[in-house]
Amino acid sequence: QQQVKQSPQSLIVQKGGISIINCAYENTAFDYFPWYQQFPGKGPALLIAIRPDVSEKKEGRFTISFNKSAKQFSLHIMDSQPGDSATYFCAASKTLYMRFGAGTRLTVKP
Amino acid sequence: ETGVTQSPTHLIKTRGQQVTLRCSSQSGHNTVSWYQQALGQGPQFIFQYYREEENGRGNFPPRFSGLQFPNYSSELNVNALELDDSALYLCASSWDRAGANVLTFGAGSRLTVL
Repeated sequence: QQQVKQSPQSLIVQKGGISIINCAYENTAFDYFPWYQQFPGKGPALLIAIRPDVSEKKEGRFTISFNKSAKQFSLHIMDSQPGDSATYFCAASKTLYMRFGAGTRLTVKP
Repeated sequence: ETGVTQSPTHLIKTRGQQVTLRCSSQSGHNTVSWYQQALGQGPQFIFQYYREEENGRGNFPPRFSGLQFPNYSSELNVNALELDDSALYLCASSWDRAGANVLTFGAGSRLTVL
């Protein structure tokens, strides 16, 4: 039972370009939507998060766009850098625990 | 402020054996959650502990069990290991059981079952 669907599975972007990762969720009770970044050999680290009463949140080069009616949200990475190369997970939660997407492996080429 | 630490980082077991993984939560956090991350997949919730009691459980069989100690550290025990148990086991701590917000993850324990 996959409650959060993430796409694409992998993404290759040139340095300076925009990386876009999309997620869709099923449960309208979810009220917290974070994005996690995971480097090889490390645990996921919180990157940015949004609540459904806001349609967009920006922190530096990272922006979450949230569409409540479509039950979709996306991560935009502006001016992508080689150091952004990692696996990104979207997630959603109501209480108790986080439901994660399957992940997107981002490669930023110099 | 120390983060979440897990041990061991890697281990290899054979089918049918038992394993214990350990986690020290971040300072100030009283809730510990365990997740299983299979290769190429997102983390899947196993269970959560709050004040030394199991506070919720995902879709995992009873051979997955845990403990939380008075200092909020935690253990994950898996009995009768199966090949499909091979995964990265992540511990995450948070300051409040009421929500899964702001989870701080450890680097994980990679278990290989042969």
